[in-house]
Amino acid sequence: QQQVKQSPQSLIVQKGGIPIINCAYENTAFDYFPWYQQFPGKGPALLIAIRPDVSEKKEGRFTISFNKSAKQFSLHIMDSQPGDSATYFCAASMDDYKLSFGAGTTVTVRA
Amino acid sequence: DTGVSQDPRHKITKRGQNVTFRCDPISEHNRLYWYRQTLGQGPEFLTYFQNEAQLEKSRLLSDRFSAERPKGSFSTLEIQRTEQGDSAMYLCASSRGGTRNSPLHFGNGTRLTVT
Repeated sequence: QQQVKQSPQSLIVQKGGIPIINCAYENTAFDYFPWYQQFPGKGPALLIAIRPDVSEKKEGRFTISFNKSAKQFSLHIMDSQPGDSATYFCAASMDDYKLSFGAGTTVTVRA
Repeated sequence: DTGVSQDPRHKITKRGQNVTFRCDPISEHNRLYWYRQTLGQGPEFLTYFQNEAQLEKSRLLSDRFSAERPKGSFSTLEIQRTEQGDSAMYLCASSRGGTRNSPLHFGNGTRLTVT
């Protein structure tokens, strides 16, 4: 069964818009929450990650918000660009090696 | 850092045949992982090595699947008697062990099509 639920399945925004992707989990033992970006024909690449002791983390135009009590976390892409068009995966881990991935969100940024 | 290399990029095989994939991790990484990704889904964990030791296997890894990392460097994933349900992208990743939540670096995968 999928341990991390991700939504929406896809979204389209205009250049400069802020796509928001949401993920929810049940297992409170998860303590590491990375986001991966995947382009067609490529493997996933780590974008940004957060631990549950932090409620927000920013790296460049990417921000993770984390709500421990609600067991939810989200990715915001500020000032989105056409080059950000990709599939984004949230993931969670309770150990040092095994990631449980969400089903992915395909983001399209229109110029 | 030359990245994780996987070979072949694509493999088409007939049902019942055996296939083998190779993964070369980033040279200083002692951990190596295999994941499987089907269309429209996120990657699913298959197995993991620390150096040459295979430390965990997912229930997804049936007895037709075997993975090895003989000298703690490259790894192979073999699928025997392939089935159409084995069609997927097989992703290899590596990371530096000994550091909590060391990022996984993925290769570009081997896409398997079983006809």
